[in-house]
Amino acid sequence: NAGVTQTPKFRVLKTGQSMTLLCAQDMNHEYMYWYRQDPGMGLRLIHYSVGEGTTAKGEVPDGYNVSRLKKQNFLLGLESAAPSQTSVYFCASSQAGPQGTQYFGPGTRLLVL
Amino acid sequence: GENVEQHPSTLSVQEGDSAVIKCTYSDSASNYFPWYKQELGKRPQLIIDIRSNVGEKKDQRIAVTLNKTAKHFSLHITETQPEDSAVYFCAADTGGFKTIFGAGTRLFVKA
Repeated sequence: NAGVTQTPKFRVLKTGQSMTLLCAQDMNHEYMYWYRQDPGMGLRLIHYSVGEGTTAKGEVPDGYNVSRLKKQNFLLGLESAAPSQTSVYFCASSQAGPQGTQYFGPGTRLLVL
Repeated sequence: GENVEQHPSTLSVQEGDSAVIKCTYSDSASNYFPWYKQELGKRPQLIIDIRSNVGEKKDQRIAVTLNKTAKHFSLHITETQPEDSAVYFCAADTGGFKTIFGAGTRLFVKA
């Protein structure tokens, strides 16, 4: 039981490049989330999903897109990366919505030059 | 907008002492308050949570108290150990996918 996994672990992009971050969970959870974590700040919700085929905007969605084509996967896309998107990205999943235990992935460190 | 303030930003205690971290929230609709522990380079993990219909909750050496009137809640760690060293985040959630996190408290437990 791997829990929540993320790929890649680390990535360097140039401004304007695109990339996709993959999150996978094997706990059959309905809810999945993408957060970013910046120094001196708490986690901020980018997008979330309440089930397969659904996505919704969180607190800081601009510049990101997401897809949940399969229940176990939640993809986060950056179409045109900007230095302001340099951050650590965490995926999480939960069975009972945001007020249930959220299980986090190991994080992806992204540097945009 | 909604805000969660967390204090102190850094806390250093001697092993065996108690540690207290305090958070204040602004949205009176908040009804769920989780606390996460994040060790250096690791993922956040839920350590305890409390709902608005409860004033206090304990789990072994950790406890959380909630004062809805004052809109603040606190994490208490007793008999601290070196492995308690980490960053602790509080959060407040209204139930509408609007979980707001505090900026974190870096706790150092000196052996």
